[in-house]
Amino acid sequence: NAGVTQTPKFQVLKTGQSMTLQCAQDMNHEYMSWYRQDPGMGLRLIHYSVGAGITDQGEVPNGYNVSRSTTEDFPLRLLSAAPSQTSVYFCASSYSPSSYEQYFGPGTRLTVT
Amino acid sequence: QQPVQSPQAVILREGEDAVINCSSSKALYSVHWYRQKHGEAPVFLMILLKGGEQKGHEKISASFNEKKQQSSLYLTASQLSYSGTYFCGTESGGTSYGKLTFGQGTILTVHP
Repeated sequence: NAGVTQTPKFQVLKTGQSMTLQCAQDMNHEYMSWYRQDPGMGLRLIHYSVGAGITDQGEVPNGYNVSRSTTEDFPLRLLSAAPSQTSVYFCASSYSPSSYEQYFGPGTRLTVT
Repeated sequence: QQPVQSPQAVILREGEDAVINCSSSKALYSVHWYRQKHGEAPVFLMILLKGGEQKGHEKISASFNEKKQQSSLYLTASQLSYSGTYFCGTESGGTSYGKLTFGQGTILTVHP
């Protein structure tokens, strides 16, 4: 098993550009989520999905879109990048958000200039 | 809303004990604990569920007070490898099912 994979590992964008952060898992997990991590702020939930075709907003969804067309993939789209979106992004997956371990991907470090 | 962790930072010598607290303003279904080393992804430590069930590592213990919406992580006889940032995550179930939110983290440093 590859576990949770994220691409790219590093990315530099200019303000206004758009891009998609990729996340995939091969563990047949129903639950997937995206977090951003900023110094002193912990992990903040952006969007999550409890199954294919179902997504919902987390604490900080503005400026981000998601879709879940398959169980394996959960891409995060930045519509028009802003310097405030400079952060480390983690994708996670699990059988359930409540009672099972969350498996985190290695993260994507994004810088917006 | 994010759960609140305390303290923000702890400095220990090897062999000393530490307690990290996590509190929420919402009724909780589960509390998760993770540890993150610098530059790495968070790693699972333990889950505590409403009703008393626990899942996790034998060497780490935690408590969950459902009435007070609080949890505490107990690190005993600390080792250098315990250093890192500890996060609690909470999930309330019901209409918030799936919304697993994390606290701001507690930085633990263990010195020889």
